Amino acid sequence: KAGVTQTPRYLIKTRGQQVTLSCSPISGHRSVSWYQQTPGQGLQFLFEYFSETQRNKGNFPGRFSGRQFSNSRSEMNVSTLELGDSALYLCASSLLSGPSGYGYTFGSGTRLTVV
Amino acid sequence: AQKVTQAQTEISVVEKEDVTLDCVYETRDTTYYLFWYKQPPSGELVFLIRRNSFDEQNEISGRYSWNFQKSTSSFNFTITASQVVDSAVYFCALSDPDDKIIFGKGTRLHILP
Repeated sequence: KAGVTQTPRYLIKTRGQQVTLSCSPISGHRSVSWYQQTPGQGLQFLFEYFSETQRNKGNFPGRFSGRQFSNSRSEMNVSTLELGDSALYLCASSLLSGPSGYGYTFGSGTRLTVV
Repeated sequence: AQKVTQAQTEISVVEKEDVTLDCVYETRDTTYYLFWYKQPPSGELVFLIRRNSFDEQNEISGRYSWNFQKSTSSFNFTITASQVVDSAVYFCALSDPDDKIIFGKGTRLHILP
């Protein structure tokens, strides 16, 4: 059974640009959550999508957005990139909404560097 | 508000030693879940355990064991007879009322050969 797939693995962007990251959950999983990991702030929740609807949102500016497609694949977009957006972006999938019922399975992440 | 504290930022032990990673949490909820995840250098977070707030039974899985004490709001993780492959960052986490996971800052564990 394939795990959670995130693409690309590495990305370098210039300040002011926008970026789109992709996450394909485990087959059959309907929930996808996104986390940002930085050395200073640690792991912070961005948002969760379940059945194409945003179910939960963390405390991030509107430049961070996401969506989920009918096949449960999810994308997150960051517009007008800032240096502080440099981070490892982790995607997690779960069978049902939220992590508590069955737990999350995480992907290997996309490492975004903004220069 | 929910909070997870991992006071040990970094620990180094020699292989085959036992090591305990501390986790203290804060929540006003009566129903919640606690988790431990391992993050090896590859970056992927690997699920280790989930424990609900009503189950205070300690758990053992091979060389790993977990001690959940509600009275002290702690959920500590012990690795027995540590191995070099155990070197990683370990995160303790707590579910919040919105069913998101709140992570601690992590403990970087170095197992020295």
